[in-house]
Amino acid sequence: GAVVSQHPSWVICKSGTSVKIECRSLDFQATTMFWYRQFPKQSLMLMATSNEGSKATYEQGVEKDKFLINHASLTLSTLTVTSAHPEDSSFYICSARAPVQGADTQYFGPGTRLTVL
Amino acid sequence: AQSVTQLGSHVSVSEGALVLLRCNYSSSVPPYLFWYVQYPNQGLQLLLKYTSAATLVKGINGFEAEFKKSETSFHLTKPSAHMSDAAEYFCAVSDIFGQGGKLIFGQGTELSVKP
Repeated sequence: GAVVSQHPSWVICKSGTSVKIECRSLDFQATTMFWYRQFPKQSLMLMATSNEGSKATYEQGVEKDKFLINHASLTLSTLTVTSAHPEDSSFYICSARAPVQGADTQYFGPGTRLTVL
Repeated sequence: AQSVTQLGSHVSVSEGALVLLRCNYSSSVPPYLFWYVQYPNQGLQLLLKYTSAATLVKGINGFEAEFKKSETSFHLTKPSAHMSDAAEYFCAVSDIFGQGGKLIFGQGTELSVKP
């Protein structure tokens, strides 16, 4: 149980284009999902918290107009990188919060490797 | 504010040897603590979690961790390393009261296992 999927697993795009990444909780409902980015050999940096039916909460320093997050249902959140540039190339990972016996646990997707040329 | 410090960005052990990955936390409220493992180009997999019940927590793949409040530590151990344990390990802390379950991660420790 508690499986989270991401699509696509990798994407290459040209500078200036937009890319959408999907995050799905497959066997549970997630009122909250999180989006992280990870640079090589580094830890995960939280970008935003996505709550179903409301606006995402962005971490300090993350451009909300560049990284659009939509959480339209209890099983799907999307991250759109708008007007992507080479510096946006990174590994993007989502997680879904699954309350279990009072202890919230995040289950992570497999990640999406974005390369912007 | 909460924070996590993982001592040692890289740990190398021989196959069959004890694995010890260190994690110290800082939290002004009772923490929830987690260990995750990440294999190359993959997401994170939950190894174990501490949720204020038993201080010795057993996880998957033979790993366990002990919560020591006096030392503000949550070190991860495994009695005998296997080649398949080679991966990146992340310790994380969560404040369930004020942060909506947001996780604060440590810097990560890369575990290498020598044959």
